[in-house]
Amino acid sequence: KNQVEQSPQSLIILEGKNCTLQCNYTVSPFSNLRWYKQDTGRGPVSLTIMTFSENTKSNGRYTATLDADTKQSSLHITASQLSDSASYICVVRPLNTDKLIFGTGTRLQVFP
Amino acid sequence: DAGVIQSPRHEVTEMGQEVTLRCKPISGHDYLFWYRQTMMRGLELLIYFNNNVPIDDSGMPEDRFSAKMPNASFSTLKIQPSEPRDSAVYFCASSYRTSGVGDTQYFGPGTRLTVL
Repeated sequence: KNQVEQSPQSLIILEGKNCTLQCNYTVSPFSNLRWYKQDTGRGPVSLTIMTFSENTKSNGRYTATLDADTKQSSLHITASQLSDSASYICVVRPLNTDKLIFGTGTRLQVFP
Repeated sequence: DAGVIQSPRHEVTEMGQEVTLRCKPISGHDYLFWYRQTMMRGLELLIYFNNNVPIDDSGMPEDRFSAKMPNASFSTLKIQPSEPRDSAVYFCASSYRTSGVGDTQYFGPGTRLTVL
């Protein structure tokens, strides 16, 4: 069964610090992998997208990496801000399907 | 563009009542998705439409759930009768394609449903 697992489930860091969130997937083959950010009480918003042939993609202080050999992706947040407090969801689109496979997310809290 | 619009934002109802959730997708998008999100199961796809036609409803949990898309700018998700286990946040999302890097789904703010 196609799965997307994320770790840690939750994370607390201090403002200004860096952090890395992990995503392991078994979906194969796949079309693309995305990281979504979901603020409390709002819908998810796409942060980055990578195809299977890409290794890294940046969006400001967010950098996503992809290792298709080990089936792992990570999201690195640099110089965290209070506004980074949110859930981050790893999402994989299998090839030849319209359905997305969602991870259960990592809940990040940034404290001053 | 105003983005995907959902109403109501919050709904509290009693078990056995009918609930109707509404969604207006982004203009020009021809794919519309209904999701349910719970703490235990995360985001789950319920049903999706292409050009107002339901393509896959295999995620709809029971016959109590139904969805319609009468035109390109409006969709409803109905639960009748509602049960406490239906309590969740329901999201609507739209996109203009479902393949390639341009397949970003844009989510609405969600409807938080509580069934007592």
